[in-house]
Amino acid sequence: GENVEQHPSTLSVQEGDSAVIKCTYSDSASNYFPWYKQELGKRPQLIIDIRSNVGEKKDQRIAVTLNKTAKHFSLHITETQPEDSAVYFCAASKGYNFNKFYFGSGTKLNVKP
Amino acid sequence: GAVVSQHPSWVICKSGTSVKIECRSLDFQATTMFWYRQFPKQSLMLMATSNEGSKATYEQGVEKDKFLINHASLTLSTLTVTSAHPEDSSFYICSASRPGTSGRAITGELFFGEGSRLTVL
Repeated sequence: GENVEQHPSTLSVQEGDSAVIKCTYSDSASNYFPWYKQELGKRPQLIIDIRSNVGEKKDQRIAVTLNKTAKHFSLHITETQPEDSAVYFCAASKGYNFNKFYFGSGTKLNVKP
Repeated sequence: GAVVSQHPSWVICKSGTSVKIECRSLDFQATTMFWYRQFPKQSLMLMATSNEGSKATYEQGVEKDKFLINHASLTLSTLTVTSAHPEDSSFYICSASRPGTSGRAITGELFFGEGSRLTVL
């Protein structure tokens, strides 16, 4: 099956700074890469996703980049705010048809005011 | 977004008893649902894929006789932890993809239930 690795496990940044979280995947057939934000005791919420036919996607302060050749993708958060503090998970899947999602180990982001 | 609801949100039981967790898709029909397990400060580990009208498929290392999954309708999947032991204590969370008119998932996005925290004494 797919193996998704995520780094770093914890990340502390000052409010206003940028944060970058990186993931690698093993299955070259994976073609859908979402990022989820999970606050303590709550369900994961999708924040951004990217498909393998796109190299970069941006949504306001959040962006994701994908390098298919190297099989890695990254989450970039700019101008971080305290409310960005949460655990972030990357995932990989083989796309539309209800295929399994495999998650990275998670990154706990702490944005200090 | 699509709504997936899970019940109960937390349960405490004695060792040796069985516990059932329900996962419902409230505004769409889910032919496929996924069950995950999450230990404190750890990732979401895929346990099994629940298929409506057929047997669930389990990930390697997950005991199918221990974690019984039933997907009897297009909106309900249940996970039963049988003869629960303290090591089964965990956060169990279900998820589903919302299908489009073609039967394929609309975006691939996975919608999660609220999760169920199981504590086995």
